[in-house]
Amino acid sequence: EAGVVQSPRYKIIEKKQPVAFWCNPISGHNTLYWYLQNLGQGPELLIRYENEEAVDDSQLPKDRFSAERLKGVDSTLKIQPAELGDSAVYLCASSSSRGPYNEQFFGPGTRLTVL
Amino acid sequence: SQQGEEDPQALSIQEGENATMNCSYKTSINNLQWYRQNSGRGLVHLILIRSNEREKHSGRLRVTLDTSKKSSSLLITASRAADTASYFCATDDHQGGSEKLVFGKGTKLTVNP
Repeated sequence: EAGVVQSPRYKIIEKKQPVAFWCNPISGHNTLYWYLQNLGQGPELLIRYENEEAVDDSQLPKDRFSAERLKGVDSTLKIQPAELGDSAVYLCASSSSRGPYNEQFFGPGTRLTVL
Repeated sequence: SQQGEEDPQALSIQEGENATMNCSYKTSINNLQWYRQNSGRGLVHLILIRSNEREKHSGRLRVTLDTSKKSSSLLITASRAADTASYFCATDDHQGGSEKLVFGKGTKLTVNP
């Protein structure tokens, strides 16, 4: 079974530029999460989807961040414009309501560097 | 905001020794999970312990939970170099009606061959 796929793995951009990350969850997983992980810290939830509905986006900085999950499968996370402080690893995870309670499966992440 | 706090922040041991990491949290929980993260990789689920459980084993892993002290420990026995990674505890957070995992800052474990 393929795991959570994320692309790109690395991205370097200049500040004020836009950037987008893509995530393909494990097949059949209805819940998808985007996390932000700063260096030396644990992941922090940005947004959670149940199928195509964003059910928790309270931690998403909506002035510059946006996300979508069309058709309830793949998801994209966008930052526009990027700031220096956005440099971090962006992790995508998925889980199944049929699986162990809230056991989440993580992708390898996208490491963003904003210059 | 992060609820869990792992202790120590970093731990260096020799292969074959046991490694113990601790996690403290602030609010009531339904369960607590431990994850491992190898350098440059995503997180991998290790073990889940429910609030009504006090101890759980999985291979070389032993997890304890003390809800009265709001703390958990992860013990890795007979450590191997491949155990070198960061370990995070995560608690479920149902505040505000939203189910989500809240991660601690992690313990960075180095197992020297």
